[in-house]
Amino acid sequence: DAGITQSPRHKVTETGTPVTLRCHQTENHRYMYWYRQDPGHGLRLIHYSYGVKDTDKGEVSDGYSVSRSKTEDFLLTLESATSSQTSVYFCAISEGGQRSGYTFGSGTRLTVV
Amino acid sequence: GQQLNQSPQSMFIQEGEDVSMNCTSSSIFNTWLWYKQDPGEGPVLLIALYKAGELTSNGRLTAQFGITRKDSFLNISASIPSDVGIYFCAGHPGNQFYFGTGTSLTVIP
Repeated sequence: DAGITQSPRHKVTETGTPVTLRCHQTENHRYMYWYRQDPGHGLRLIHYSYGVKDTDKGEVSDGYSVSRSKTEDFLLTLESATSSQTSVYFCAISEGGQRSGYTFGSGTRLTVV
Repeated sequence: GQQLNQSPQSMFIQEGEDVSMNCTSSSIFNTWLWYKQDPGEGPVLLIALYKAGELTSNGRLTAQFGITRKDSFLNISASIPSDVGIYFCAGHPGNQFYFGTGTSLTVIP
């Protein structure tokens, strides 16, 4: 009964191919986020959404696009995967505001070969 | 983006010892959060702090919101093997949360 699920959990893909990661929530939270986690860098924000069809860039958005056609789903697409995009990707949800912490999914481990 | 300096980067301690870690920022934050991440999982919220000077506990964990609003501290008392993981701080200056680079904790039985 997890409120946030990510799929797939693991993926290996070839350089140059497009890849889409999915985040699904059942909490009806307004805000959804995509982060990548790399050793020595912590969690870095890729893109976020503040409502259906409303998205904005984070600090490491180059090479990524997102879409949110429904409140419950937030998709992250790597348009043409590169080895530098090998990482663990986390989705997070929030009700918004500085008193609302983020709830994270279990992550997707992506390897680009 | 905002820089959060978290220290130490890693800790190796004996079971039963107390642990202290901290997070500092060059900017004033309105909220501080502390998360724990187990291997292969996403971060889980441990403690939230909303006011300068606030001290909040969650079992053996105690966190404090620094008076300057530029730092926060997390203490774990009487560590046990399941405390192993990566601990992240997160701060909110008014627009979004920024995360520290994490403190990796290893507890030796």
